Amino acid sequence: QQQVKQSPQSLIVQKGGISIINCAYENTAFDYFPWYQQFPGKGPALLIAIRPDVSEKKEGRFTISFNKSAKQFSLHIMDSQPGDSATYFCAPRFRNAGNMLTFGGGTRLMVKP
Amino acid sequence: DAGVIQSPRHEVTEMGQEVTLRCKPISGHNSLFWYRQTMMRGLELLIYFNNNVPIDDSGMPEDRFSAKMPNASFSTLKIQPSEPRDSAVYFCASSLGSAQEFGYTFGSGTRLTVV
Repeated sequence: QQQVKQSPQSLIVQKGGISIINCAYENTAFDYFPWYQQFPGKGPALLIAIRPDVSEKKEGRFTISFNKSAKQFSLHIMDSQPGDSATYFCAPRFRNAGNMLTFGGGTRLMVKP
Repeated sequence: DAGVIQSPRHEVTEMGQEVTLRCKPISGHNSLFWYRQTMMRGLELLIYFNNNVPIDDSGMPEDRFSAKMPNASFSTLKIQPSEPRDSAVYFCASSLGSAQEFGYTFGSGTRLTVV
């Protein structure tokens, strides 16, 4: 079941540019909205997360924007760097469902120097 | 803390052989998850445990796959008999459900190749 749709599948950005990755969900029972970052040969790692009572959260160059009515949230990477090249996953959590995360299909980001 | 520890990092086996993947979660975490990652299917949840009890194994592909968590510090994922289509990276992750800033901590994975 496609409960979480992530786009684009791949993204190429020049160094210093803005990377934007989007996640659309269907289930209104999601209550926590994280993004994970995965480098080759490593497991995904929590990057940044937002709760639904907030519309935006910023941590350094990374910002989550959350639109509850549209059931969408996005990751913005400002001043993108080659070291940001990785695969990014949105992974919203089901409320009261054993802390289950539902991972999107992933976005492979390449930042060109 | 050393994080989530998985072994082996790489496993190459012949079709039909039994394969056992191992995971040591972070001490104090009460949930453990097994995922499989492939290019075609992305990250798939196979099974998860809460307080050592299997809660949802609906993602386990078929009876050839089994998972156990005999105690809070150890879990295994077994494939018997293995098939080439089982080739993938298998991740174990653990979490503390009551954490203020909830998240999964993943291990570095086991890359399984079945020839």
